[in-house]
Amino acid sequence: AQSVTQLGSHVSVSEGALVLLRCNYSSSVPPYLFWYVQYPNQGLQLLLKYTSAATLVKGINGFEAEFKKSETSFHLTKPSAHMSDAAEYFCAVSDGIDAGNNRKLIWGLGTSLAVNP
Amino acid sequence: NAGVTQTPKFRVLKTGQSMTLLCAQDMNHEYMYWYRQDPGMGLRLIHYSVGEGTTAKGEVPDGYNVSRLKKQNFLLGLESAAPSQTSVYFCASALGAGWSYNEQFFGPGTRLTVL
Repeated sequence: AQSVTQLGSHVSVSEGALVLLRCNYSSSVPPYLFWYVQYPNQGLQLLLKYTSAATLVKGINGFEAEFKKSETSFHLTKPSAHMSDAAEYFCAVSDGIDAGNNRKLIWGLGTSLAVNP
Repeated sequence: NAGVTQTPKFRVLKTGQSMTLLCAQDMNHEYMYWYRQDPGMGLRLIHYSVGEGTTAKGEVPDGYNVSRLKKQNFLLGLESAAPSQTSVYFCASALGAGWSYNEQFFGPGTRLTVL
């Protein structure tokens, strides 16, 4: 069964510093992977997704993530943090790749990112 | 397009009262979901639906019921609210069967407090 582990429930960086949010997954089949962002008092929105095309995926707001099969990782990075990046970030893996069997996402517990001036 | 909308945005209930949360989507999505979000526990799936007239249990279904009478609507009911159901509830939708991956689109949430 699939599972997702986000290392670090809270991450704090200085404005302008590198952002690195870690996500590791387990899956018995090639996964589809997602990063979502949740700003305070809002719903979740898709940041980026890996769907087996390119291993380096670019998303919105300057974020990107690299799928590394050998490490079963899908870490999220941004070269230079901005105050507006302060939010909760969730990693998720698809329940399956077969049509009709991909009904659910398996979610990590989230990482809260704080950006200090 | 409005995307996924949720009604109401806030609600306060007394223990034992009932209520229904409404989720609506205008993207013609097949799949719909109800989650609850609690501090430190991430998102937990309550119930979901893979099409009009169908529902299925998620990981925390007890105390909740759902209905999907119309494709665009997914209702979450609390028959007898308990303080443990104080949470933020999110609805989401996804394209559905026939797609190799199903990214989910989320509503803005309903903040429910049970006293």
